[in-house]
Amino acid sequence: ELKVEQNPLFLSMQEGKNYTIYCNYSTTSDRLYWYRQDPGKSLESLFVLLSNGAVKQEGRLMASLDTKARLSTLHITAAVHDLSATYFCAVGAGSYQLTFGKGTKLSVIP
Amino acid sequence: NAGVTQTPKFQVLKTGQSMTLQCAQDMNHNSMYWYRQDPGMGLRLIYYSASEGTTDKGEVPNGYNVSRLNKREFSLRLESAAPSQTSVYFCASSENPTLNTEAFFGQGTRLTVV
Repeated sequence: ELKVEQNPLFLSMQEGKNYTIYCNYSTTSDRLYWYRQDPGKSLESLFVLLSNGAVKQEGRLMASLDTKARLSTLHITAAVHDLSATYFCAVGAGSYQLTFGKGTKLSVIP
Repeated sequence: NAGVTQTPKFQVLKTGQSMTLQCAQDMNHNSMYWYRQDPGMGLRLIYYSASEGTTDKGEVPNGYNVSRLNKREFSLRLESAAPSQTSVYFCASSENPTLNTEAFFGQGTRLTVV
């Protein structure tokens, strides 16, 4: 059974600071996704990571994948209030199912 | 460019009542999914349809049934609602996950069972 663990689950950070969210998974995977969810809203796709060493960046967010360590990171650079949201990683392993982490609720404080 | 559309957005049911959640996508995607989201639990897959004419159980299928009506539509039915089914339900679609494309989500249905 594929297990996905995110940490931290809650993150409060000041504007302008850097931080990293971690996503560990338990079995070999061929794809990993990061999603953002604003309160009361749907999930928005941020990144799709498909191979070992993949790195993708969009604005102040950068995601990477290490398949050997079964680890993905979402790095936040110089956080701004607009990045406050819940971030989910989701892992697929050879089937149609995605297993989601519990999410990291990020609050960026002025 | 509607994407994935779910109806209704909100619903309150009494225990034992039945209802169907509707989902439609206009992206010509092959695969569709129903998830439920509970506080602190992330999203859990209820049922999915890999392609038109097929459906399969996910992680938490008990108490639910689904119908893939055509390529566009995938409905979720609660035959006899229970308070444990109080949740936010999301429908999603993807072109074909084996091609490693991401899933696109609807706006969600907030269901309360009293």
